[in-house]
Amino acid sequence: DGGITQSPKYLFRKEGQNVTLSCEQNLNHDAMYWYRQDPGQGLRLIYYSQIVNDFQKGDIAEGYSVSREKKESFPLTVTSAQKNPTAFYLCASSWGTDTQYFGPGTRLTVL
Amino acid sequence: GESVGLHLPTLSVQEGDNSIINCAYSNSASDYFIWYKQESGKGPQFIIDIRSNMDKRQGQRVTVLLNKTVKHLSLQIAATQPGDSAVYFCAENDSMDSSYKLIFGSGTRLLVRP
Repeated sequence: DGGITQSPKYLFRKEGQNVTLSCEQNLNHDAMYWYRQDPGQGLRLIYYSQIVNDFQKGDIAEGYSVSREKKESFPLTVTSAQKNPTAFYLCASSWGTDTQYFGPGTRLTVL
Repeated sequence: GESVGLHLPTLSVQEGDNSIINCAYSNSASDYFIWYKQESGKGPQFIIDIRSNMDKRQGQRVTVLLNKTVKHLSLQIAATQPGDSAVYFCAENDSMDSSYKLIFGSGTRLLVRP
């Protein structure tokens, strides 16, 4: 069953904690992306990666970190430096500049 | 379900009517456009795309129209059904931009009245 999976579906973070969101794809896509979505807004790009072991900052990268050690995996860490991390996080992947396909999302809440 | 947008523009249509959702894009260099559908609490789902060498493309019950002169994109849904209720986003991309980045609109909520 091909597609993009994200885990967990819901995540709760205490103040000062780092948390890591998982994103896996078996579509053999070269590019992967992380977006943040807040109510009433569209998607904002956090980080993206076009090839393994390389990634670039998006529009709102502060307080986040990523790694791309494997083609199929692109985990996102929300660090304690991110002051307002409560949001819906979406991972996507694509063949180059072709259509981006999205995972089901992770809802992160700060307690 | 959880809301993905509390203050979005909303289009309300009667079941069975046609829906037209509009989007103005910003970058005149954009040459690839995508419409996504997002249901509450879920990730965006690809609906249809169009490249700038076309001005119309049809799918199953959906049609996308592109007017490059005024930088306008529309999504037409024929015979709208309750399952079409969702937030719809347009996205644009400049394929010559090596970053692969998509620029998303803020979305339109479609409500289908029974």
